[in-house]
Amino acid sequence: EIVLMQSPGTLSLSPGERATLSCRASQSVSSSYLAWYQHKPGQAPRLLIYGASSRATGIPDRFSGSGSGTDFTLTISRLEPEDFAVYYCQLYRSSLWTFGQGTKVEIK
Amino acid sequence: QVTLKESGPVLVKPTETLTLTCTVSGFSLSNARMGVSWIRQPPGKALEWLAHIFSNDEKSYSTSLKSRLTISKDTSKSQVVLTMTNMDPVDTATYYCTRILFSVAGTVYFDYWGQGTLVTVSS
Repeated sequence: EIVLMQSPGTLSLSPGERATLSCRASQSVSSSYLAWYQHKPGQAPRLLIYGASSRATGIPDRFSGSGSGTDFTLTISRLEPEDFAVYYCQLYRSSLWTFGQGTKVEIK
Repeated sequence: QVTLKESGPVLVKPTETLTLTCTVSGFSLSNARMGVSWIRQPPGKALEWLAHIFSNDEKSYSTSLKSRLTISKDTSKSQVVLTMTNMDPVDTATYYCTRILFSVAGTVYFDYWGQGTLVTVSS
């Protein structure tokens, strides 16, 4: 079973700064099945990126995804106050779904 | 408008069986490009996938919880039901149902989520 490791666990940044979140798979995976979600307390998670690099409907272009093989990245080009949240990468493979442990982006 | 809504008990006792229902609207459970999944989040912990069911009734379960989970659907009622047996306090979590979308481009993801329901396991 594939494991997704997200780093760092916590990212302390100021509004306007760039955030770079990493998701590493324990073996090579198809980028078609790699997605990123944003989760705020008391809310349902929200799809940000699917297929490793495609933005979901309504997601601002400051969010971008990249990567292939085992290494994937979510980048927030300039943090807005509403972007402070927990971010999860997620993979679908062999009829199983796996989430990373999450990266918390907090206000510095 | 696509919506998913979870319903079920807020409190269950240890060893009891939990039954959760996800009622969907805005799409059909018979749509070949869609499915429904259950995901949970214990307090302070990460998201954990539990099970999915597709339009053709294909089902899959978390490897670690497989022996305790059963997922089913009633297409006519637009409902997906998850049962989890032998509940334990560590199963206390917010339980979400989500829509799975297989896009024409070959990607797959959870595009709509319910608001979640908090289930507490305690005697």
